[in-house]
Formats: sequence, C-alpha cells, structure tokens
Amino acid sequence: KAGVTQTPRYLIKTRGQQVTLSCSPISGHRSVSWYQQTPGQGLQFLFEYFSETQRNKGNFPGRFSGRQFSNSRSEMNVSTLELGDSALYLCASSPPGTANEKLFFGSGTQLSVL
Amino acid sequence: AQSVAQPEDQVNVAEGNPLTVKCTYSVSGNPYLFWYVQYPNRGLQFLLKYITGDNLVKGSYGFEAEFNKSQTSFHLKKPSALVSDSALYFCAVRVLSGNTGKLIFGQGTTLQVKP
Repeated sequence: KAGVTQTPRYLIKTRGQQVTLSCSPISGHRSVSWYQQTPGQGLQFLFEYFSETQRNKGNFPGRFSGRQFSNSRSEMNVSTLELGDSALYLCASSPPGTANEKLFFGSGTQLSVL
Repeated sequence: AQSVAQPEDQVNVAEGNPLTVKCTYSVSGNPYLFWYVQYPNRGLQFLLKYITGDNLVKGSYGFEAEFNKSQTSFHLKKPSALVSDSALYFCAVRVLSGNTGKLIFGQGTTLQVKP
C-alpha cells in the first residue's frame, strides 16, 4: 500500500507570493491533517479535513487555508507569503474509526520564502 | 490549555547504554499519549501509544514508555541504544474535539547515540 504522498518535495518562493501544497493520503484514509514544522516552534497543528469538511483548526492566520476533495486528496494554500512561513509542511492521514489516534505522515514539503 | 513538554532539546548517549527521553503532559481527563520518531528528511513515524491499562507500553524498534500519572510524565525508554536510534523524537497528546481529536506535539528532542 502506498504511503502518504506530498508534492512538491521542495519549493522556493518570494515574499508576497502564494503557494499550494498537495497531499494524497493512504488509500482508504479519509482524514487528512496538516502540520507546520520549524526548528524553533516544533510541530504546530494547522487543520484537519474529513470528508471534504474542515473538522479541526489550529491557531494560524487566515492566510493559511486548505481543502479536501472527494477522493480524500488535500491541498493547503498559503497566500501573501512571509519569511516566517519558511518551514517543513507535513501532511498526515489517519485510518477510519481511530479518531486520529495514529497518524501516518508524508515526507513533507520544504518551503523556503526568500 | 492541554499540552506536552519535552524539557531536553538534545539527549546524548553511548551505544549500548540505556536511554530516556523525557515528556510531561498537561491535560484534562484521561490522557491519550504518543511517541513519534523522525529520521532525517523523513516524515514522522508512530512508535507507541498509551490509552489505558499497563503503565509500561511497548512499541516499535525495542522502545517502551512509562506512564506516570502522579508525575504527569510519559518518558520514552530503551534498554540498549543503537547508533541507528539517532533521530528526532516527539511526544504528543490527543486533544478531543467533538467525536474526533487532534494530536498536539511537544517541541521534539534530538537523540544522539555515539558509537
């Protein structure tokens, strides 16, 4: 079974631009969560989607948004990029019926904002 | 607020020696606790979880964790460290929201095992 796939693996953007990251969960997983990882802040929860609906949300500004498609694939978008948005963005999917007890993570998208 | 704390940024241990990576938690109600490991340039991998039952939980790669309610701790342990155990370790707690939950992670602890 294929794991969680995130694309692209690396991104370089400049301040003010916007970016879209993609995540394909493990087949059969309907819950997708997004995290931001930085050396200083560790892992910060962004949001979670289930059946195309946002089910949980972290404490990030409205510039960070996401969506989920009917095939459970998810995208997150960051608009008006700031230098502080440079981070590793991790996507995780969770098997049904587990209430996100066990997350399967992708390798992440490394975003650099110049 | 519900949270976990990992008081050590880095733990150094010699190969073959026992290792401990510390985690304390602050939650309301019964805690659901987890350990994840991140190898370089990889996503996080699940190691083990505590939901209820025995205070000593066994997980992947020979790791175990001890739940201590009175000290609100969930330390990760391994009797004999390997160089290949060198990685970034995260403790996490599940925070319930409706009929689902989200994992809140600690800051992470880098484990360095030297030959």
